[in-house]
Amino acid sequence: DAGVTQSPTHLIKTRGQQVTLRCSPKSGHDTVSWYQQALGQGPQFIFQYYEEEERQRGNFPDRFSGHQFPNYSSELNVNALLLGDSALYLCASSFFSQETQYFGPGTRLLVL
Amino acid sequence: SQQGEEDPQALSIQEGENATMNCSYKTSINNLQWYRQNSGRGLVHLILIRSNEREKHSGRLRVTLDTSKKSSSLLITASRAADTASYFCATDAGSTTGGGNKLTFGTGTQLKVEL
Repeated sequence: DAGVTQSPTHLIKTRGQQVTLRCSPKSGHDTVSWYQQALGQGPQFIFQYYEEEERQRGNFPDRFSGHQFPNYSSELNVNALLLGDSALYLCASSFFSQETQYFGPGTRLLVL
Repeated sequence: SQQGEEDPQALSIQEGENATMNCSYKTSINNLQWYRQNSGRGLVHLILIRSNEREKHSGRLRVTLDTSKKSSSLLITASRAADTASYFCATDAGSTTGGGNKLTFGTGTQLKVEL
Protein backbone atom coordinates (compact mmCIF):
# COMPACT_ATOMS: atom_id res chain seq x y z
CA ASP A 1 0.00 0.00 0.00
CA ALA A 2 1.72 3.17 -1.23
CA GLY A 3 1.82 6.08 1.12
CA VAL A 4 1.59 9.72 0.14
CA THR A 5 3.90 10.58 -2.75
CA GLN A 6 5.08 13.97 -3.93
CA SER A 7 6.94 15.18 -6.97
CA PRO A 8 9.41 16.54 -7.64
CA THR A 9 11.63 16.04 -4.59
CA HIS A 10 13.66 19.18 -5.23
CA LEU A 11 13.14 22.21 -7.42
CA ILE A 12 15.07 25.39 -8.15
CA LYS A 13 13.30 28.40 -9.63
CA THR A 14 14.02 32.10 -10.05
CA ARG A 15 11.98 35.02 -8.77
CA GLY A 16 8.87 35.73 -10.80
CA GLN A 17 8.54 32.23 -12.18
CA GLN A 18 5.66 29.86 -11.58
CA VAL A 19 5.85 26.38 -10.07
CA THR A 20 3.55 23.35 -9.86
CA LEU A 21 3.96 20.69 -7.20
CA ARG A 22 2.14 17.37 -7.26
CA CYS A 23 0.77 15.02 -4.63
CA SER A 24 -0.80 11.58 -4.73
CA PRO A 25 -2.69 10.68 -1.55
CA LYS A 26 -2.52 7.45 0.36
CA SER A 27 -4.72 4.79 -1.20
CA GLY A 28 -8.38 5.36 -0.30
CA HIS A 29 -7.93 8.87 1.08
CA ASP A 30 -10.13 11.59 -0.38
CA THR A 31 -8.78 14.75 1.25
CA VAL A 32 -5.50 16.51 0.56
CA SER A 33 -3.97 19.33 2.57
CA TRP A 34 -0.89 21.38 1.71
CA TYR A 35 1.57 22.90 4.16
CA GLN A 36 4.58 25.18 3.82
CA GLN A 37 7.52 24.67 6.16
CA ALA A 38 10.20 27.34 6.22
CA LEU A 39 13.61 26.38 7.53
CA GLY A 40 13.60 26.02 11.30
CA GLN A 41 9.82 26.51 11.58
CA GLY A 42 6.78 24.32 11.97
CA PRO A 43 4.57 23.65 8.94
CA GLN A 44 1.92 26.23 8.11
CA PHE A 45 -1.41 25.26 6.58
CA ILE A 46 -1.97 26.52 3.03
CA PHE A 47 -5.28 24.91 2.02
CA GLN A 48 -7.29 21.71 1.94
CA TYR A 49 -9.09 20.03 -0.96
CA TYR A 50 -12.03 17.65 -0.82
CA GLU A 51 -14.37 16.67 -3.65
CA GLU A 52 -12.26 18.78 -6.00
CA GLU A 53 -13.04 21.95 -4.05
CA GLU A 54 -10.97 24.11 -1.73
CA ARG A 55 -12.57 23.59 1.68
CA GLN A 56 -10.32 25.54 4.02
CA ARG A 57 -7.57 28.04 3.45
CA GLY A 58 -4.79 29.39 5.62
CA ASN A 59 -3.28 32.86 5.57
CA PHE A 60 -1.63 32.66 2.16
CA PRO A 61 -2.00 35.08 -0.78
CA ASP A 62 -3.85 34.29 -3.98
CA ARG A 63 -0.53 33.51 -5.65
CA PHE A 64 -0.99 30.11 -4.02
CA SER A 65 -3.66 28.06 -5.74
CA GLY A 66 -4.50 24.42 -6.04
CA HIS A 67 -6.48 21.76 -7.71
CA GLN A 68 -7.77 18.32 -6.91
CA PHE A 69 -8.46 15.76 -9.60
CA PRO A 70 -11.17 13.08 -9.71
CA ASN A 71 -8.61 10.46 -8.62
CA TYR A 72 -8.00 12.62 -5.47
CA SER A 73 -4.47 13.65 -6.47
CA SER A 74 -3.67 17.30 -6.10
CA GLU A 75 -1.50 20.10 -7.39
CA LEU A 76 -0.18 23.20 -5.67
CA ASN A 77 0.60 26.15 -7.93
CA VAL A 78 2.57 29.19 -6.88
CA ASN A 79 2.78 32.19 -9.22
CA ALA A 80 5.19 35.11 -9.23
CA LEU A 81 7.65 33.36 -6.95
CA LEU A 82 9.35 35.35 -4.21
CA LEU A 83 12.56 34.52 -2.37
CA GLY A 84 10.43 33.97 0.72
CA ASP A 85 8.59 31.11 -0.98
CA SER A 86 11.69 28.96 -0.53
CA ALA A 87 10.55 26.17 1.76
CA LEU A 88 9.64 22.52 2.12
CA TYR A 89 6.13 21.97 0.77
CA LEU A 90 4.33 19.10 2.42
CA CYS A 91 1.23 17.31 1.25
CA ALA A 92 -0.94 15.37 3.68
CA SER A 93 -3.87 13.07 3.00
CA SER A 94 -6.72 11.72 5.06
CA PHE A 95 -10.35 10.73 4.94
CA PHE A 96 -12.53 13.84 5.09
CA SER A 97 -13.80 13.21 8.60
CA GLN A 98 -10.62 11.63 9.91
CA GLU A 99 -8.42 13.46 12.35
CA THR A 100 -5.09 11.83 11.53
CA GLN A 101 -3.15 13.02 8.50
CA TYR A 102 -0.46 11.15 6.62
CA PHE A 103 2.33 13.29 5.23
CA GLY A 104 4.40 12.85 2.12
CA PRO A 105 8.19 13.36 2.01
CA GLY A 106 7.81 16.92 0.72
CA THR A 107 9.13 18.99 -2.15
CA ARG A 108 11.99 21.31 -1.34
CA LEU A 109 11.68 24.52 -3.35
CA LEU A 110 14.52 26.99 -3.65
CA VAL A 111 13.81 30.38 -5.22
CA LEU A 112 16.87 32.31 -6.39
CA SER B 1 1.10 31.94 12.15
CA GLN B 2 2.18 29.37 14.66
CA GLN B 3 -0.39 28.23 17.21
CA GLY B 4 2.03 27.94 20.03
CA GLU B 5 5.43 27.05 21.18
CA GLU B 6 7.34 23.98 22.14
CA ASP B 7 9.72 23.93 25.03
CA PRO B 8 12.60 23.33 25.03
CA GLN B 9 13.68 24.30 21.52
CA ALA B 10 16.48 21.76 21.73
CA LEU B 11 17.13 18.79 24.01
CA SER B 12 20.15 16.53 24.20
CA ILE B 13 20.06 13.36 26.29
CA GLN B 14 21.81 10.03 26.63
CA GLU B 15 20.35 6.80 25.28
CA GLY B 16 18.13 5.17 27.87
CA GLU B 17 17.06 8.45 29.48
CA ASN B 18 13.58 9.89 29.26
CA ALA B 19 12.79 12.94 27.12
CA THR B 20 10.02 15.39 27.93
CA MET B 21 8.77 18.06 25.56
CA ASN B 22 6.11 20.64 26.28
CA CYS B 23 3.69 22.42 24.00
CA SER B 24 1.53 25.45 24.65
CA TYR B 25 -1.28 26.66 22.42
CA LYS B 26 -3.61 29.62 22.26
CA THR B 27 -7.14 28.67 21.18
CA SER B 28 -9.74 26.03 21.96
CA ILE B 29 -9.11 22.73 20.27
CA ASN B 30 -10.81 19.48 19.26
CA ASN B 31 -7.61 17.50 19.52
CA LEU B 32 -3.85 17.82 19.78
CA GLN B 33 -1.41 15.67 17.85
CA TRP B 34 2.31 15.01 18.03
CA TYR B 35 4.44 14.44 14.94
CA ARG B 36 8.07 13.50 14.39
CA GLN B 37 10.23 14.79 11.55
CA ASN B 38 13.60 13.37 10.59
CA SER B 39 16.12 15.66 8.90
CA GLY B 40 13.62 17.96 7.18
CA ARG B 41 11.64 15.14 5.60
CA GLY B 42 7.95 14.30 5.90
CA LEU B 43 6.17 14.21 9.23
CA VAL B 44 5.20 10.98 10.94
CA HIS B 45 2.10 10.93 13.13
CA LEU B 46 2.87 9.71 16.65
CA ILE B 47 -0.22 10.13 18.79
CA LEU B 48 -3.50 12.04 19.02
CA ILE B 49 -5.25 13.16 22.20
CA ARG B 50 -8.75 14.59 22.18
CA SER B 51 -9.83 17.58 24.19
CA ASN B 52 -11.82 15.41 26.62
CA GLU B 53 -8.83 13.18 27.36
CA ARG B 54 -6.13 13.92 29.91
CA GLU B 55 -3.54 11.25 29.23
CA LYS B 56 -2.76 8.76 26.51
CA HIS B 57 -0.11 6.10 26.00
CA SER B 58 1.33 4.47 22.91
CA GLY B 59 4.34 2.21 23.33
CA ARG B 60 7.14 4.35 24.82
CA LEU B 61 5.12 7.53 24.35
CA ARG B 62 2.99 9.22 26.96
CA VAL B 63 1.03 12.37 26.20
CA THR B 64 -0.83 14.58 28.62
CA LEU B 65 -3.23 17.39 27.88
CA ASP B 66 -4.34 20.19 30.18
CA THR B 67 -6.99 22.23 28.39
CA SER B 68 -7.30 24.67 31.29
CA LYS B 69 -3.66 25.63 30.86
CA LYS B 70 -3.71 25.09 27.08
CA SER B 71 -0.68 22.88 27.29
CA SER B 72 0.47 19.37 26.47
CA SER B 73 3.53 17.29 27.14
CA LEU B 74 5.13 14.39 25.29
CA LEU B 75 7.26 11.92 27.23
CA ILE B 76 9.48 9.45 25.43
CA THR B 77 10.73 6.79 27.81
CA ALA B 78 13.96 4.80 27.45
CA SER B 79 15.07 6.89 24.47
CA ARG B 80 17.10 5.44 21.62
CA ALA B 81 19.48 7.02 19.12
CA ALA B 82 16.77 6.42 16.48
CA ASP B 83 14.50 8.84 18.37
CA THR B 84 16.76 11.71 17.26
CA ALA B 85 14.43 14.00 15.31
CA SER B 86 12.34 17.16 15.55
CA TYR B 87 9.05 16.81 17.38
CA PHE B 88 6.05 19.03 16.68
CA CYS B 89 2.73 19.44 18.38
CA ALA B 90 -0.22 20.34 16.18
CA THR B 91 -3.68 21.46 17.18
CA ASP B 92 -6.93 20.84 15.33
CA ALA B 93 -9.62 23.36 16.17
CA GLY B 94 -12.22 21.65 13.99
CA SER B 95 -14.03 23.17 11.04
CA THR B 96 -17.46 24.48 10.17
CA THR B 97 -17.13 22.73 6.82
CA GLY B 98 -17.22 19.33 8.46
CA GLY B 99 -13.67 18.21 7.84
CA GLY B 100 -11.00 18.56 10.41
CA ASN B 101 -7.38 18.57 9.63
CA LYS B 102 -6.46 22.23 9.51
CA LEU B 103 -3.52 21.58 11.74
CA THR B 104 -1.69 24.44 13.39
CA PHE B 105 1.84 23.46 14.31
CA GLY B 106 4.16 24.64 17.02
CA THR B 107 7.76 25.61 16.50
CA GLY B 108 9.18 22.19 17.34
CA THR B 109 11.69 20.61 19.71
CA GLN B 110 14.91 19.20 18.30
CA LEU B 111 15.78 16.05 20.23
CA LYS B 112 19.23 14.51 20.05
CA VAL B 113 19.79 11.15 21.70
CA GLU B 114 23.45 10.30 22.10
CA LEU B 115 24.97 6.85 22.50
